[in-house]
Amino acid sequence: EVQLVESGGGLVQPGRSLRLSCAASGFTFDDYAMHWVRQAPGKGLEWVSGISWNSGSLGYADSVKGRFTISRDNAKNSLYLQMNSLRAEDTALYYCAKDRTYDILTGPDCWGQGTLVTVSS
Amino acid sequence: QSVLTQPPSASGTPGQRVTISCSGSSSNIGSDTVNWFQQLPGTAPKLLIYSNNQRPSGVPDRFSGSKSATSASLAISGLQSEDEADYYCAAWDDSLDGYVFGTGTKVTVL
Repeated sequence: EVQLVESGGGLVQPGRSLRLSCAASGFTFDDYAMHWVRQAPGKGLEWVSGISWNSGSLGYADSVKGRFTISRDNAKNSLYLQMNSLRAEDTALYYCAKDRTYDILTGPDCWGQGTLVTVSS
Repeated sequence: QSVLTQPPSASGTPGQRVTISCSGSSSNIGSDTVNWFQQLPGTAPKLLIYSNNQRPSGVPDRFSGSKSATSASLAISGLQSEDEADYYCAAWDDSLDGYVFGTGTKVTVL
């Protein structure tokens, strides 16, 4: 059974940084691309970033480009999101999601339960 | 502002058929496959349809997807109370070089 467990969320002041982690199990991690998707309170889904199986292909939403960095450690079955220069509009539940294939173009299939990031002074 | 447009709401009585539209453009739906996700209240999204019309194992055949040109649709036949949820379409966008979700549709079972 696929399991994705996010961690690292919390309350952070505007302009500060936060690093999210996602521990994956139940599948061969390095066979699949991975994504971060967020959902602001009461709002819809917004794709944040994706990374291919071998980190060769990365993608970012325009809203986070230059501020967020996605990475993965296949040896540790882990996905990360380094978030810098955080803004109030980054406040959201951040989901880690596994792609259906090795490439980020196909989109997520399995999702974690999310970790909440609140940006406020 | 999402590039994939869905109606904000849809409703039906138990047993009815409900259809949700997803309107895009040549850079997303027109050139890539469409996925649909179901999000029950207070839970993480779940993949409902992939590659326009394929159901993952475990998804009832009451759910079906279709695509034509730059639009896609999700149909729920034999509507049940447990289908009350938010539904999102999604696709890769070649112009944005990113994955995009639709605006979401809240389905209510009357």
